[in-house]
Amino acid sequence: GQSLEQPSEVTAVEGAIVQINCTYQTSGFYGLSWYQQHDGGAPTFLSYNALDGLEETGRFSSFLSRSDSYGYLLLQELQMKDSASYFCAALLTGGGNKLTFGTGTQLKVEL
Amino acid sequence: DSGVTQTPKHLITATGQRVTLRCSPRSGDLSVYWYQQSLDQGLQFLIQYYNGEERAKGNILERFSAQQFPDLHSELNLSSLELGDSALYFCASSVGVNSPLHFGNGTRLTVT
Repeated sequence: GQSLEQPSEVTAVEGAIVQINCTYQTSGFYGLSWYQQHDGGAPTFLSYNALDGLEETGRFSSFLSRSDSYGYLLLQELQMKDSASYFCAALLTGGGNKLTFGTGTQLKVEL
Repeated sequence: DSGVTQTPKHLITATGQRVTLRCSPRSGDLSVYWYQQSLDQGLQFLIQYYNGEERAKGNILERFSAQQFPDLHSELNLSSLELGDSALYFCASSVGVNSPLHFGNGTRLTVT
């Protein structure tokens, strides 16, 4: 089956850097996305990696290694508003666009 | 605001009943997706439509069905409701296959 594993919870202090890891076991893997979700709110798109390497978007960066079936989201200069759940999501090929989400990581930013 | 509209925001109903959730995608988006999120759970993919046709199916129960209409809005029908169907149901839309998903604010369904 398809699975994406993430740590359930990560805590960091304001201004710090935090990395959220995602390991996946999927067939027909095309790329890896990251989404942010504040409590009960709509998930919002953060980044997408189709190729190996680092993608940078402001304070957020995302990395993908296909050979290791591994990716991570790096958040720099943490702010209190970054407290949210973060989901990695694998784009799978083969009949439509099936975006399968990981288990999610609850990030708590403390003063 | 993502541009994706979902109605209603909240729905409370009894076991055994049937409900319809509605979604209007962003202007220009042809793909619509439905996801279920139970309490403290991840997002479970239900089904995807592209320009009116079903394109991909996840672990959608037989009691659930969906369709996308010619004007591209979509409806998710849930029947013979059970307590375990209580969840947030999200609709999302995208322009193309590799494009980011834009999520609506969800419909919170409570089955009592």
